Amino acid sequence: AQKVTQAQTEISVVEKEDVTLDCVYETRDTTYYLFWYKQPPSGELVFLIRRNSFDEQNEISGRYSWNFQKSTSSFNFTITASQVVDSAVYFCALNYGQNFVFGPGTRLSVLP
Amino acid sequence: DTGVSQDPRHKITKRGQNVTFRCDPISEHNRLYWYRQTLGQGPEFLTYFQNEAQLEKSRLLSDRFSAERPKGSFSTLEIQRTEQGDSAMYLCASSLASLAGGSGTTEQYFGPGTRLTVT
Repeated sequence: AQKVTQAQTEISVVEKEDVTLDCVYETRDTTYYLFWYKQPPSGELVFLIRRNSFDEQNEISGRYSWNFQKSTSSFNFTITASQVVDSAVYFCALNYGQNFVFGPGTRLSVLP
Repeated sequence: DTGVSQDPRHKITKRGQNVTFRCDPISEHNRLYWYRQTLGQGPEFLTYFQNEAQLEKSRLLSDRFSAERPKGSFSTLEIQRTEQGDSAMYLCASSLASLAGGSGTTEQYFGPGTRLTVT
C-alpha cells in the first residue's frame, strides 16, 4: 500500500533552535515524487519542495534543508535557526502515477 | 496572477441539502485537483481533471459527489444529500503539466479552501 507516515504529531521548539520533521513513505512504484507543504494558521497550503525518486541529492534552500534516503524510505525536513513565522502544520506527500497521498502532518510551534 | 480561488469560503448547510463549490485555478494551468481535509488530518485526494476531462476519482468520492470542469477552466464540486460526515475543508489545487507527465512532475498550487459544516 502507498502510505506516508509522519510520526511526530506536534513539536515545540524555542526560536533559533534547529528542528527536524520526519517523513517515512511506502510505495511499490519505482518512479514517484515526494513533496513537503506548509499549512500556516491562515490555512492555505504552500509548496516547499518536490523531489523525484531518482534524485537522492540533498537540497538546501536558505534555512530549509531536506534529506532524502531511499534506503530507509525517508524524506526528512530540517529547519535551521527556527523562527516564530515557521509555526505551521507541515505535510509530507507522496505522488505515484496520478495519485497523491498526504501524511497526517506535524504541527510545529516555534516559541519566542 | 491571483492564484487559485475558491468560493464560498464557508458554507453551513442542513443535512440532506445539496451544496456546490466553485474553484478557479491559475489561468494557464491545465490540471485541477479536489481534496478533502478533516481536522487534524492531511488532505485526501478526491478527483482531478486534465483540461475538461476527469481522469481520476478516489473511492472516497461516493455517488453523492460530482465534479465538473466544463470548459477546462473553473470547476465545480457538488455534494447531494449532505451528511454530517461531509463536514470538512474542501481544497482545490491546480498545476501546469505536460499531457504525458504524471501528476508529480510539477507542483500543485492550492486555494484557500471551502469549509463545509453540515448541521
